[in-house]
Amino acid sequence: QVQLVQSGAEVKKPGSSVKVSCEASGASFSSCALNWVRQAPGQGLEWMGRFVPVLGLAEYAHNLKGRVTITADKSTTLAYMEVNSLRYEDTALYYCVLQDDVLPAARFVHWGPGTLVTVSS
Amino acid sequence: QSVLTQPPSVSGAPGQRVTISCTGSNSNIGARYGVQWYQQLPGTAPKLLIDGDSNRPSGVPDRFSGSRSGASASLAISGLQAEDEGDYYCQSYDSSLSGSVFGGGTKLTVL
Repeated sequence: QVQLVQSGAEVKKPGSSVKVSCEASGASFSSCALNWVRQAPGQGLEWMGRFVPVLGLAEYAHNLKGRVTITADKSTTLAYMEVNSLRYEDTALYYCVLQDDVLPAARFVHWGPGTLVTVSS
Repeated sequence: QSVLTQPPSVSGAPGQRVTISCTGSNSNIGARYGVQWYQQLPGTAPKLLIDGDSNRPSGVPDRFSGSRSGASASLAISGLQAEDEGDYYCQSYDSSLSGSVFGGGTKLTVL
């Protein structure tokens, strides 16, 4: 049974960085992709990007490219998402989401509980 | 402005049937990339409801069904129950954006 465990809530100042982790227990990193999806308060879902561990490949949403870095460690089944130059509008619940295939159009099967990141001065 | 367009809200009485539409374009749904639907109940993470346009993952009741026609998709929920109240999102892959895209979400209210 796949379980995604995410790191705890963060409060950050504008202009700083935040790094959120996700441990994917029960998952095979040789045949999956780790995505990050965020949800601003009262808003919809926004895909941020993904990392395919077996390919060492990262892909990002165009509007976040350059500010977001997504990585994963095959040996520990840990994934990370870092956002730089934080803005107030980055305040959101950040979900770690696992695709059970490496194809970009694969379904989002397993969702983590979310990590709340608040950007506040 | 979401790439996939959904109605902001739908409602229905218990036992009734409702449908939620999801309109895309030739670079996503129209390009035959699969459409997924996710259910987000209040205060919880989204859950996969339908994948590949119309497949129900194990454990999803057959009251939920999906379909696709051209560049649009639909989610139908029959025999509405109070516990179905929440937000529903469609999702697909967009070749122009080279990434996954979501609809803006539809809030289902059970009257």
